[in-house]
Amino acid sequence: QKEVEQDPGPLSVPEGAIVSLNCTYSNSAFQYFMWYRQYSRKGPELLMYTYSSGNKEDGRFTAQVDKSSKYISLFIRDSQPSDSATYLCAIFLTGANSKLTFGKGITLSVRP
Amino acid sequence: NAGVMQNPRHLVRRRGQEARLRCSPMKGHSHVYWYRQLPEEGLKFMVYLQKENIIDESGMPKERFSAEFPKEGPSILRIQQVVRGDSAAYFCASSPNLGAGELFFGEGSRLTVL
Repeated sequence: QKEVEQDPGPLSVPEGAIVSLNCTYSNSAFQYFMWYRQYSRKGPELLMYTYSSGNKEDGRFTAQVDKSSKYISLFIRDSQPSDSATYLCAIFLTGANSKLTFGKGITLSVRP
Repeated sequence: NAGVMQNPRHLVRRRGQEARLRCSPMKGHSHVYWYRQLPEEGLKFMVYLQKENIIDESGMPKERFSAEFPKEGPSILRIQQVVRGDSAAYFCASSPNLGAGELFFGEGSRLTVL
């Protein structure tokens, strides 16, 4: 079983739609949950992170974590063409061998 | 404040040659990570280094690959005797500490093996 599983894509939505991106993880010891955004031919950039169950909002973006079901989600409201990118969920476990483990990523296209 | 700098951005090598990828972390960051990204795949962890130390190399292929982060200068990912399967984007990321896993990524080095 992979440590992080991400819903496969690609995903295409019209401008203004609400987008839901989802991941599951297998190790309940993971402590931090992130969403990275990667534009084509660029490096990933951190979009949001959280460490507790519940919701965290930042503008049009909401990150949701459910530790009991090992499920993380990213919601994008009023999606814009500029949101077109690949979104990667990532989980992090602190400690001697701390590293960020990524999902495969899902490519989102927002049509004008 | 410059971000993570990687060079070269693009590198073409023939099979059997060596590839050297360099990464200068953000100022004040002492933790460096290397990841590999293949088409249609996510980022795969390769190695985690601190100054002069390899902390975790569990994602590195056992042969031909090596990494270092010397006391002075950039981190280097070295691939000897490259094969076509090494063609990928290699990303470096840095972090100031072991905190919440907030990694700052460079733009990547794209290796093409002919």
